[in-house]
Amino acid sequence: DTAVSQTPKYLVTQMGNDKSIKCEQNLGHDTMYWYKQDSKKFLKIMFSYNNKELIINETVPNRFSPKSPDKAHLNLHINSLELGDSAVYFCASSPLKRSYNEQFFGPGTRLTVL
Amino acid sequence: AQKVTQAQTEISVVEKEDVTLDCVYETRDTTYYLFWYKQPPSGELVFLIRRNSFDEQNEISGRYSWNFQKSTSSFNFTITASQVVDSAVYFCALSENTNAGKSTFGDGTTLTVKP
Repeated sequence: DTAVSQTPKYLVTQMGNDKSIKCEQNLGHDTMYWYKQDSKKFLKIMFSYNNKELIINETVPNRFSPKSPDKAHLNLHINSLELGDSAVYFCASSPLKRSYNEQFFGPGTRLTVL
Repeated sequence: AQKVTQAQTEISVVEKEDVTLDCVYETRDTTYYLFWYKQPPSGELVFLIRRNSFDEQNEISGRYSWNFQKSTSSFNFTITASQVVDSAVYFCALSENTNAGKSTFGDGTTLTVKP
């Protein structure tokens, strides 16, 4: 199936650990995103890559580092996890770095930091 | 700076009622795009509609309709004859032409449709 996929779907870990979330899209899109959705359902963009190039980097702690090995993949690595990092992280993609393009979202990764 | 306000945090209706979800936006661009996304209880985000700033025609898709009014900077979403399956969080989003690739989302409106 063509889609945006994320692994893992659930991630439970201890404070201070380092973890990664992987995202892959097979839609042939050029642009990928990471969003964070908190417990109040607020959705905030974190990063965006266009053809492996970082184009959006919102005010996010340095502990968060995105990596795009190719335009079909955008991974998110988080160092020294904190309680406040608990959230649902969504990966998304869009055809081009254009404002008129809608975004296609992955199923989300629920991160719980204990 | 772009901003989207969804003043209604939660709405609860009984099945078959009509319901309107409000969206007010702020932008300095003359060219911009507005979107609605649906997030059902299962959690995935689904694109519903896109509107560009030059097209103020209202759109209807089945029980869904959208009213875009530049004069009031609003892009409201109406569900006619609501159904339980419409229960979800609905997000309005704005993307400016000068800020390509970045969408700003409203805080969402949680709609509960009771049987």
